[in-house]
Amino acid sequence: AQKITQTQPGMFVQEKEAVTLDCTYDTSDPSYGLFWYKQPSSGEMIFLIYQGSYDQQNATEGRYSLNFQKARKSANLVISASQLGDSAMYFCAMREGTGFKTIFGAGTRLFVKA
Amino acid sequence: GAVVSQHPSRVICKSGTSVKIECRSLDFQATTMFWYRQFPKQSLMLMATSNEGSKATYEQGVEKDKFLINHASLTLSTLTVTSAHPEDSSFYICSGYLQNTEAFFGQGTRLTVV
Repeated sequence: AQKITQTQPGMFVQEKEAVTLDCTYDTSDPSYGLFWYKQPSSGEMIFLIYQGSYDQQNATEGRYSLNFQKARKSANLVISASQLGDSAMYFCAMREGTGFKTIFGAGTRLFVKA
Repeated sequence: GAVVSQHPSRVICKSGTSVKIECRSLDFQATTMFWYRQFPKQSLMLMATSNEGSKATYEQGVEKDKFLINHASLTLSTLTVTSAHPEDSSFYICSGYLQNTEAFFGQGTRLTVV
């Protein structure tokens, strides 16, 4: 069975500094996709970044990068130059194979301090 | 990215009544859509997979007679919470997919049963 683990319920970071949000996963399927979503207090889910299991390079999207350690089954999100608007819940998610079903980790609440 | 519209964003209903939540894919055809439930400060829990033209697939522990899902067209899936009770109060959110892309989420519906 697939599983996503986020061990940091809450994180604080100073504005303009970088922060890493941890995510580990478990799956027996060699083909999978890993996602990070941001959920502000409004409740909407905002897609941030995607990493495929066969991708050779770490994904990057602007200030977001995914530190993909396949052997360790980790997919940490790195946010560089944090902004006050980055304060939100962040969810790591995984989708196996060619299916569409996506499961989510417990989430990490990020607080950016001025 | 693709747009998924969910309606209503908030609803308050009396205990014992039924509530219908709509999820529309506005600019793509979604043969499969997913319904999630999210309790305060918790993760998204997959409730069911909605398949166009066929019966929904429910996750273990989700009452199919309580949460009726209909996916009559390629652009519309509905979730009806029947005989709602206060414990059904939650945030419900749907998602759709394009092939090999991230999930596109609706804005979510905050249901309060009084």
